[in-house]
Amino acid sequence: QKEVEQNSGPLSVPEGAIASLNCTYSDRGSQSFFWYRQYSGKSPELIMSIYSNGDKEDGRFTAQLNKASQYVSLLIRDSQPSDSATYLCAVSLSGSARQLTFGSGTQLTVLP
Amino acid sequence: DAGVIQSPRHEVTEMGQEVTLRCKPISGHDYLFWYRQTMMRGLELLIYFNNNVPIDDSGMPEDRFSAKMPNASFSTLKIQPSEPRDSAVYFCASSSQGNTQYFGPGTRLTVL
Repeated sequence: QKEVEQNSGPLSVPEGAIASLNCTYSDRGSQSFFWYRQYSGKSPELIMSIYSNGDKEDGRFTAQLNKASQYVSLLIRDSQPSDSATYLCAVSLSGSARQLTFGSGTQLTVLP
Repeated sequence: DAGVIQSPRHEVTEMGQEVTLRCKPISGHDYLFWYRQTMMRGLELLIYFNNNVPIDDSGMPEDRFSAKMPNASFSTLKIQPSEPRDSAVYFCASSSQGNTQYFGPGTRLTVL
């Protein structure tokens, strides 16, 4: 069993819709959670981090964390074609971004 | 700031040859990470350094892989001898005090 699991997709949503990306992790000691976006042929870039249960909003992005269920999600509101990318969930056992374990990523396509 | 710099961007070599990948972290960052990304295994942490000292190399696949960080502004990842299964994109990332990791553009390695 992989330590960090993501629904592999691909996921397609129409422009303006809400895209929902999900991630589960196996280690209950995990403390820090991150969402990275990776455009095709490019490097990953951090878009959200979350450390405590609940929701964290940043513009059109909302990260949700439920440690009891070992579940973290990313919602993208008003999806745009420019959001089309692979989204990587990453988890750390520490309270920082050291030693990240990445999921395999979910490929999102936003259709105009 | 120039961001994380990696060289070469592309490397094609023959099985058995030595390969050296180079990384210059963002100035002032005290953490440096080497990752490998393949379709099959996703993004994997190979090794990371703190203040030029290797902290965890448990992700290094085998003895053919070695990494050094002789000073705060330079690191190398060496594969000797290279094998076709080493073909991947290798990313270097750096961070300040274990916070957000900033990735370089990657080196696409092809071993024939």
